[in-house]
Amino acid sequence: SYELTQPPSVSVSPGQTAKITCSGDKLGKTYTFWYQQRPGQSPVLVIFHDSKRPSGIPERFSGSSSGNTATLTISGTQAMDEADYYCQAWDSSVVFGGGTKLTVL
Amino acid sequence: EVQLVESGGGLVQPGGSLRLSCAASGITFSTYWMTWVRQAPGKGLEWLANINEDGSDKSYVDSVKGRFTISRDNAKNSLYLQMNSLSAEDTAVYYCARLKYCSGGGCPTTYYYMDVWGKGTTVTVSS
Repeated sequence: SYELTQPPSVSVSPGQTAKITCSGDKLGKTYTFWYQQRPGQSPVLVIFHDSKRPSGIPERFSGSSSGNTATLTISGTQAMDEADYYCQAWDSSVVFGGGTKLTVL
Repeated sequence: EVQLVESGGGLVQPGGSLRLSCAASGITFSTYWMTWVRQAPGKGLEWLANINEDGSDKSYVDSVKGRFTISRDNAKNSLYLQMNSLSAEDTAVYYCARLKYCSGGGCPTTYYYMDVWGKGTTVTVSS
């Protein structure tokens, strides 16, 4: 089955830039989507179609995709951005990455 | 405001059954694909099943095929998940979500993603 690989954890200092990667051998041919899940809450879509932000998502969230790797970038990271982040794509079915816990130190 | 509210979770014995519901408001429910996703304690997200606008097209992850059934009642703006033969591995928070998709010749690539999520309902399978 298709797999998306994310680092289990990423740490960042407040105000710095956090980058979370998602790799999969078909990402270059399909869109990547990103979800934020704060502790005890349901997931929220933060990036769709590799790099588009839904309304209401702060501009500090951005996405990109190159080759087989998609990247979620959070610029000027704030304490409220501490959460689990999941990438997602489609390959005959919905596939999620394992998730990355972002810690804002 | 779009709202999805899950219900029907609870404690069930191994081998038992449970029916989850998801009530939608603020959307024209009958025009959207819908999906169920679950999250086991301390684990990541796992997609379970999709259903198209009129309920004629359904798909499932292999681990629940033959045990879970997704369905909908557009007149009631409701989505359902019938779960049978439950085991401890099915213990999780179950989310319903609205699905956005594009498939077929008019699309640059096939994609499905969840743009609105409910708050989830907890299912615990234990004796």
